[in-house]
Amino acid sequence: KNEVEQSPQNLTAQEGEFITINCSYSVGISALHWLQQHPGGGIVSLFMLSSGKKKHGRLIATINIQEKHSSLHITASHPRDSAVYICAVRFNGGSQGNLIFGKGTKLSVKP
Amino acid sequence: NAGVTQTPKFQVLKTGQSMTLQCAQDMNHEYMSWYRQDPGMGLRLIHYSVGAGITDQGEVPNGYNVSRSTTEDFPLRLLSAAPSQTSVYFCASSYQRGRGYEQYFGPGTRLTVT
Repeated sequence: KNEVEQSPQNLTAQEGEFITINCSYSVGISALHWLQQHPGGGIVSLFMLSSGKKKHGRLIATINIQEKHSSLHITASHPRDSAVYICAVRFNGGSQGNLIFGKGTKLSVKP
Repeated sequence: NAGVTQTPKFQVLKTGQSMTLQCAQDMNHEYMSWYRQDPGMGLRLIHYSVGAGITDQGEVPNGYNVSRSTTEDFPLRLLSAAPSQTSVYFCASSYQRGRGYEQYFGPGTRLTVT
């Protein structure tokens, strides 16, 4: 079964800390997404990547295709980064609609 | 652009009632999808469409119908609501970029079936 696993499930950090959220998947993929969901809010796409590394502001996403693993890093974390971060993948051969989602990592950043 | 819009934001139904969740996008994306989000689970695909007139089933299609008569609209119909359909529903549209599809999500509809 094609699966996506995220760790940790919950994460509490102090403002300013460097944060890492991990995502691993079971078989080959064509693309991996990192999404952000604020409490009571909608879902926003942060990154889509197939290889290497992407950076946007304080957010960095990396992917290692050989190890089937991706990480989302947040530098100089801030309370407004508190949200659920979701990893999703499109497995090779899957139709465009067939994204498989992880269960999410709930991040809380304390001031 | 309004992006992806969904109505209603909240809805309470009684078991057996039917209703339609509306979804519209103004970005001319060919691909649209419906997901449900339940506590402790990842989002799961209900139905999707690769263009007007074309729809297909996702992981959890039972109890739901969709149609795609225009590029902009992709309504989700609950035929006979059941408590198991209590969930938050997200509509998404996407377009192909490289090897993946950039995703845009609507704000969600919180549905309670009593």
